[in-house]
Amino acid sequence: SQQGEEDPQALSIQEGENATMNCSYKTSINNLQWYRQNSGRGLVHLILIRSNEREKHSGRLRVTLDTSKKSSSLLITASRAADTASYFCATVLIQGAQKLVFGQGTRLTINP
Amino acid sequence: EPEVTQTPSHQVTQMGQEVILRCVPISNHLYFYWYRQILGQKVEFLVSFYNNEISEKSEIFDDQFSVERPDGSNFTLKIRSTKLEDSAMYFCASSPQTGIGGELFFGEGSRLTVL
Repeated sequence: SQQGEEDPQALSIQEGENATMNCSYKTSINNLQWYRQNSGRGLVHLILIRSNEREKHSGRLRVTLDTSKKSSSLLITASRAADTASYFCATVLIQGAQKLVFGQGTRLTINP
Repeated sequence: EPEVTQTPSHQVTQMGQEVILRCVPISNHLYFYWYRQILGQKVEFLVSFYNNEISEKSEIFDDQFSVERPDGSNFTLKIRSTKLEDSAMYFCASSPQTGIGGELFFGEGSRLTVL
């Protein structure tokens, strides 16, 4: 099994609705980060949550972290067509120095 | 806003040829990385580089791969003898962070197609 697995793999909602994506991981982490990737483009950092934090907000984004369940969720409120992209969680392991370990990603489609 | 730039954006090569992918990280950053993403799959760590040496590498990063920071600004990934399975998008990233894992800044990627 892999460190960092998102669900659902794909999500399609109407513009204006909220989108929730989940991420589970296996080993203890220093922090967890969410990235966005538009099709064929690079990854853009959205938000970082440390292992001693439970919730963080940034604009329309809300991230939660439950270290006892080894899971995180990313909520995008009031979605827009421009939010259509793939969203990846990535963990930094306590023992893992600097590298990020990415999950498979959730492909989010916002229908106008 | 400073950004990581990568060249070429797309390279097509024949199996067995050498390929060099180039990256210019953000100028005051200290850590440099290469990741790859095979089409439709997740982003995989290849190597991290700090203080002019490799700090960590994955199992993917075998003897066919090497990295270099030849002139203090460029950061290159060389694949000595490409294989079909090396076809992927290669992303360079940099980070200003010392200590354990902060935000990474990614380039737009170099798409490598091996025929």
